[in-house]
Amino acid sequence: GEEVAQTPKHLVRGEGQKAKLYCAPIKGHSYVFWYQQVLKNEFKFLISFQNENVFDETGMPKERFSAKCLPNSPCSLEIQATKLEDSAVYFCASSPRITNSYEQYFGPGTRLTVT
Amino acid sequence: QKEVEQNSGPLSVPEGAIASLNCTYSDRGSQSFFWYRQYSGKSPELIMFIYSNGDKEDGRFTAQLNKASQYVSLLIRDSQPSDSATYLCAVSPNDYKLSFGAGTTVTVRA
Repeated sequence: GEEVAQTPKHLVRGEGQKAKLYCAPIKGHSYVFWYQQVLKNEFKFLISFQNENVFDETGMPKERFSAKCLPNSPCSLEIQATKLEDSAVYFCASSPRITNSYEQYFGPGTRLTVT
Repeated sequence: QKEVEQNSGPLSVPEGAIASLNCTYSDRGSQSFFWYRQYSGKSPELIMFIYSNGDKEDGRFTAQLNKASQYVSLLIRDSQPSDSATYLCAVSPNDYKLSFGAGTTVTVRA
């Protein structure tokens, strides 16, 4: 599609439950990025993919967070055993990454509330 | 020191005036620089990107980049009430991820 799609829009989980978020990049974009926005403006990079390969996962809290981008499927971000501090808006972005073009376009986000 | 720092807001300008937003970054090897606009409760919207030193103009927006000073700015000319939003400076240290500033909230007074 022409826009990054993210589902669900809102997700409420009790502490300790699992949360799974989905992202479909813009058609033709081979790079996908996940960011976490806490407290309105604090963006934190989590992980990036080139097609189905992890490109950079330096931002991922590895013990509870995992992500995948499989062929012909939306990308996913999964949080096992959610904690209160995981409450945030999770944005997915995609990029065409053609020569000299590094712009990232953001989806509408998934608001995760952990209670 | 934060990777990306923006001038603290909020910034209030009258309609029709110029809004000037500043951003500095710490990684001297950064190559790509972006300005995003984020309305409350919405996702960031890319409004400008710049890769080379100098000015880049797009409509009412002008981005300026000075790599020697590690400084990037955004000017919004003829500010409109619809420009009221938070403006995020984002820098790509390695072209694979963005580091964001904390954002500057702009309010355009009618």
